[in-house]
Amino acid sequence: NAGVTQTPKFQVLKTGQSMTLQCAQDMNHEYMSWYRQDPGMGLRLIHYSVGAGITDQGEVPNGYNVSRSTTEDFPLRLLSAAPSQTSVYFCASSYGAGGMNTGELFFGEGSRLTVL
Amino acid sequence: GEDVEQSLFLSVREGDSSVINCTYTDSSSTYLYWYKQEPGAGLQLLTYIFSNMDMKQDQRLTVLLNKKDKHLSLRIADTQTGDSAIYFCAESIRAGGFKTIFGAGTRLFVKA
Repeated sequence: NAGVTQTPKFQVLKTGQSMTLQCAQDMNHEYMSWYRQDPGMGLRLIHYSVGAGITDQGEVPNGYNVSRSTTEDFPLRLLSAAPSQTSVYFCASSYGAGGMNTGELFFGEGSRLTVL
Repeated sequence: GEDVEQSLFLSVREGDSSVINCTYTDSSSTYLYWYKQEPGAGLQLLTYIFSNMDMKQDQRLTVLLNKKDKHLSLRIADTQTGDSAIYFCAESIRAGGFKTIFGAGTRLFVKA
């Protein structure tokens, strides 16, 4: 089982460059989300999606875009990278609100981004 | 808005019990979770508790929920060196894990 797959695992960017972090899940999950993890601050929610074609902002959405054209994929785009976006990014998915779903989030292994 | 707070570090001796504490602010939180993160990896769900429960036990893990004080704790009995990791408290006010909010994480050190 692949679960949640993130690419790339590591990336170095220069200030002002753009890039896309890829996230794919093969569990037919309705819900997908992106978090960033910074020391002492835990995980902060960037954007989330409750299904294909539907996205919404989390706690820290500025500087990031997302789209959800398929159930499987949820890419995160950095439009113009800044040093403040240096972080570890995690994609997570969940079955969604139906039935007895506990709301467990399934995480990818993370993408470590450095912006110089 | 929602906020989750937990202490950043805990050190225990192997074989002792570990207790990690967490407070949350949103009284409408329906689901509360403990996730574990090992070095270089993503988070994995350890256990969860619904807001209509006071306690949940799962092998070495005991979760206590005090809704009045908005306090959640995780007790790990007979702590092993393999339990060394970061433990995150998290809350969600909706079903399905939507907009789950995490604390800063408690780094547990287990001394042999």
